[in-house]
Amino acid sequence: GEDVEQSLFLSVREGDSSVINCTYTDSSSTYLYWYKQEPGAGLQLLTYIFSNMDMKQDQRLTVLLNKKDKHLSLRIADTQTGDSAIYFCAEILGGGGNKLTFGTGTQLKVEL
Amino acid sequence: DAMVIQNPRYQVTQFGKPVTLSCSQTLNHNVMYWYQQKSSQAPKLLFHYYDKDFNNEADTPDNFQSRRPNTSFCFLDIRSPGLGDAAMYLCATSRELAGGSNEQFFGPGTRLTVL
Repeated sequence: GEDVEQSLFLSVREGDSSVINCTYTDSSSTYLYWYKQEPGAGLQLLTYIFSNMDMKQDQRLTVLLNKKDKHLSLRIADTQTGDSAIYFCAEILGGGGNKLTFGTGTQLKVEL
Repeated sequence: DAMVIQNPRYQVTQFGKPVTLSCSQTLNHNVMYWYQQKSSQAPKLLFHYYDKDFNNEADTPDNFQSRRPNTSFCFLDIRSPGLGDAAMYLCATSRELAGGSNEQFFGPGTRLTVL
């Protein structure tokens, strides 16, 4: 099967860093994405990384990619209460096509 | 601002009564998608249009149909909604370019309740 796995919950204190992990399955994935979903809302694209990169930084967000282990992570620096949401990683399966396979989602709770 | 718009945001229908959800986009993207997201689950792709070409997922029930009359609009028709079809329905778009990142942009979703 094609399962993209994430831990279900993460709780951090405001101002700390958050690290959300994802294990994907398709070694031929070309792009991997991180989406944020606030309660009752659609998905907001946060960032993405091309498979020939190890790291991508975008303001408070750092994406790390370990292709050997098929492991993707999202680090949020200086986490704020507004970062509380569900975070989904997603991959486009190799072989072409447009199908995004989403991870199970990680609910991030930021406490004061 | 360029965006993906879904109407209505909340839809209530009765068991077995056909319902249509709509999506429009001002991004001029050539690909449009419909996802179903049930509570505490990841979005699940139902089908997508690549330009006018319809691509159905193998496990999408026949009860779900779609229409794309032009580039900007795409509709999701549920012919006979069951209680199990209650979910958030998300529309997304992307510009398919060879070698491009093809990121998908999502609308705010329509939450469907079936009574």
